[in-house]
Amino acid sequence: EAGVAQSPRYKIIEKRQSVAFWCNPISGHATLYWYQQILGQGPKLLIQFQNNGVVDDSQLPKDRFSAERLKGVDSTLKIQPAKLEDSAVYLCASRDILRGDTGELFFGEGSRLTVL
Amino acid sequence: LAKTTQPISMDSYEGQEVNITCSHNNIATNDYITWYQQFPSQGPRFIIQGYKTKVTNEVASLFIPADRKSSTLSLPRVSLSDTAVYYCLVGDKYNFNKFYFGSGTKLNVKP
Repeated sequence: EAGVAQSPRYKIIEKRQSVAFWCNPISGHATLYWYQQILGQGPKLLIQFQNNGVVDDSQLPKDRFSAERLKGVDSTLKIQPAKLEDSAVYLCASRDILRGDTGELFFGEGSRLTVL
Repeated sequence: LAKTTQPISMDSYEGQEVNITCSHNNIATNDYITWYQQFPSQGPRFIIQGYKTKVTNEVASLFIPADRKSSTLSLPRVSLSDTAVYYCLVGDKYNFNKFYFGSGTKLNVKP
């Protein structure tokens, strides 16, 4: 079974530029999450989708961050304009909530963003 | 929301059993306890989850006392490859948006 795919793995941009990250969850997983992980900290939830609807985006900085999951499968997280403090790893995770027997999240390898 | 407290770091030697304790004094009735492992440059990986008493799988055991205000992840006979950050999470497993990662415990296994 293929895991959660993310791209790009690494991205370096100047502040005030824009960037987009892509995530393809495990096939059949209706629930998708984006996390931000700053160096030395645990992952922080940014947004949760159930199919193509947003379940929770309370911690998403909506003035600069946006995310979509138009067809309920893959998802894009965008930052515009980027700030220095956005330097982090952006992790995508998916979950088969319909089974729900373990509540296990499956994470991708992440996209590392450096803002200069 | 139940917050968790874990030691920042722990050292161990190969072949030893390692126990990492997590405190979660405000755990709610519907909350489960879940542990994740994270290696550098990788996403977290699920280790084990439990509600009460003891849960064991092929990689770890999870001990939860009757009051559920703490839990202990037990890793038997660790190896160098177990060097990682371990996160304890508490929340309703059917509403995972309420699970919060803390700063985790950095386990350093020495030869």
